[in-house]
This record gives sequence, C-alpha cells and structure tokens, in this order.
Amino acid sequence: AQTVTQSQPEMSVQEAETVTLSCTYDTSESDYYLFWYKQPPSRQMILVIRQEAYKQQNATENRFSVNFQKAAKSFSLKISDSQLGDAAMYFCAYRSGNDMRFGAGTRLTVKP
Amino acid sequence: DAGITQSPRHKVTETGTPVTLRCHQTENHRYMYWYRQDPGHGLRLIHYSYGVKDTDKGEVSDGYSVSRSKTEDFLLTLESATSSQTSVYFCAISDSTRDQPQHFGDGTRLSIL
Repeated sequence: AQTVTQSQPEMSVQEAETVTLSCTYDTSESDYYLFWYKQPPSRQMILVIRQEAYKQQNATENRFSVNFQKAAKSFSLKISDSQLGDAAMYFCAYRSGNDMRFGAGTRLTVKP
Repeated sequence: DAGITQSPRHKVTETGTPVTLRCHQTENHRYMYWYRQDPGHGLRLIHYSYGVKDTDKGEVSDGYSVSRSKTEDFLLTLESATSSQTSVYFCAISDSTRDQPQHFGDGTRLSIL
C-alpha cells in the first residue's frame, strides 16, 4: 500500500526566514501526483502546491517551492520569507487515481 | 473557493445511534470523497464516489456506508456509531483523478459519547 511519511511532527521558523518541511512516500506506481496542503486553525484544507510525477521540474508557487526527488521518493516543501500567516498544519499527500494518502502532518510555528 | 457545503458542522451523539453526514457541491464535479481526520494519522479515505450510484471503499471503510443519488450530494452514514468514530470528517470533490487536486469542505466535528 502507498504510504506517506512526514518525519517532523513540529517545526519552527523565524519570521522572514526559510524553512523546509520533509515528506517521503512509497509507491510502485509510475503515474501519480503529489500535493502539499495547509490547514490553519480554521480547519480548512488549502492547496499550497502540486507536482506531477512525470515532470522533472520542481513546482513553484510564489514563496512556496518543492524539491521533488523521484528516485528517492522525496517531496519536501520550502517556504521562503516566512510570514505569520504561514503558521498551520501542513500535510503532504500522494494521489494515484482515486487512491489519495496523506502524511500525519507537520505543525509549523512562525515566531515574530 | 469550491462550492462544498458539509452539514452539520458539529454533532454530538451517543453510542449506538445512527448518524448521517451530508456533503453538497455546486461544482458538478464527478468525484466525491469522504475522509476522517485523527491526530497522528492525517486524513484517511473512507469511501469515494465516481458517479451517481457508483461508490467504492477506501482505506478505513468498516462501519461506514455511503450513498450518492444525485451528482451534488454524497451522504456518509454511521449505522451504529461507536466512540472510535469520533473524528473530524471532511468531504472532498474533484473533476478528475489525474492532474486536478481535490477541494475540501470545512469539515464536520463528530463526537460520539
């Protein structure tokens, strides 16, 4: 079965600094997609960024970028110029067809 | 934001009672999903639907059933609720199973005493 592992239950970053959240996954599929979702205290699940497995180029969305290492099955999220509003739970997710798996999450704290 | 409404937003009930959660979408998306969120587990898929009357089991389907009689509505039923089903339940929708992400509702907090 596909699994997604986030090894950092909690992370902390100083405002304006950069932080990297780790994610590894296990799959035997060749066609899949990877996502990072943000969940603030409001409980909403907000899509941050997505990566198609067949694309070698790392996805970027403004201050958010990923480091996708397909052979290593690694998909880390880098947040640059961290802002107070970035504080939330972050979930890494894997999707192949209707099979979607989430990691246990990383709680990010941003210190002013 | 995707038009997804979950009801109720909060519910407290007793062990052994039936419970139905509703997910309503206005996006006309084909695929709908029910997840539960528990500390230390992230989100886990319960059931999903790929069309009207077409449903399938997810990772943690035991104790749950679903129905989809209309494109816009996806119901999750706990026939006889147990305390282990206390959780936050999320509905999600998507237009495809490939490049489109899933969009989530705001969740239902269900407490079973």
